[in-house]
Amino acid sequence: DQQVKQNSPSLSVQEGRISILNCDYTNSMFDYFLWYKKYPAEGPTFLISISSIKDKNEDGRFTVFLNKSAKHLSLHIVPSQPGDSAVYFCAASDGWYGAGSYQLTFGKGTKLSVIP
Amino acid sequence: DSGVTQTPKHLITATGQRVTLRCSPRSGDLSVYWYQQSLDQGLQFLIQYYNGEERAKGNILERFSAQQFPDLHSELNLSSLELGDSALYFCASSGGRGRTGELFFGEGSRLTVL
Repeated sequence: DQQVKQNSPSLSVQEGRISILNCDYTNSMFDYFLWYKKYPAEGPTFLISISSIKDKNEDGRFTVFLNKSAKHLSLHIVPSQPGDSAVYFCAASDGWYGAGSYQLTFGKGTKLSVIP
Repeated sequence: DSGVTQTPKHLITATGQRVTLRCSPRSGDLSVYWYQQSLDQGLQFLIQYYNGEERAKGNILERFSAQQFPDLHSELNLSSLELGDSALYFCASSGGRGRTGELFFGEGSRLTVL
């Protein structure tokens, strides 16, 4: 049972346009959400996060939106650049267990291709 | 460079064999996480250690085991290997100073079971 779903395996966008990556979750206990980016032959790297008490978090060209009632979050990249071409993973956490303990549940990822 | 080191980067072995994957976390990080990424799958959480103690278990098979040593490096042992164990295994570490959500991942160890 997949608790974090990224239904689009791939997405192609023209350089300079907006990229919108979507993520749905089923576990209502999730209260912290993250996006990771992964280039080939590298490990995932943290991109941006959002707590369930917020509905938007912005960091430069990257904005994450959270719709708790729909159990949906999205990552907007504006403007998209060729260097943004990577696999993007959505992840969620259902708690903080103290002393460095929290588990992240990841989606399968969406491969973004930004076309020059 | 995340500061997390994983060895080996690539490993090819046969069914029934046993392998050990090694991870050195970022300097100062007490938590180590192991994840498995199979073909077309997301990152599946296997197990987490904090300062030498097992802290959380995910979808880890009984044939798999892990430990974290006093110097904080960790090893993931995979035994009685099957074809389906072929995957990319990631180690990640975190500092445990609050839930920033930022896990630092190594480059992964790609295991191929023939």
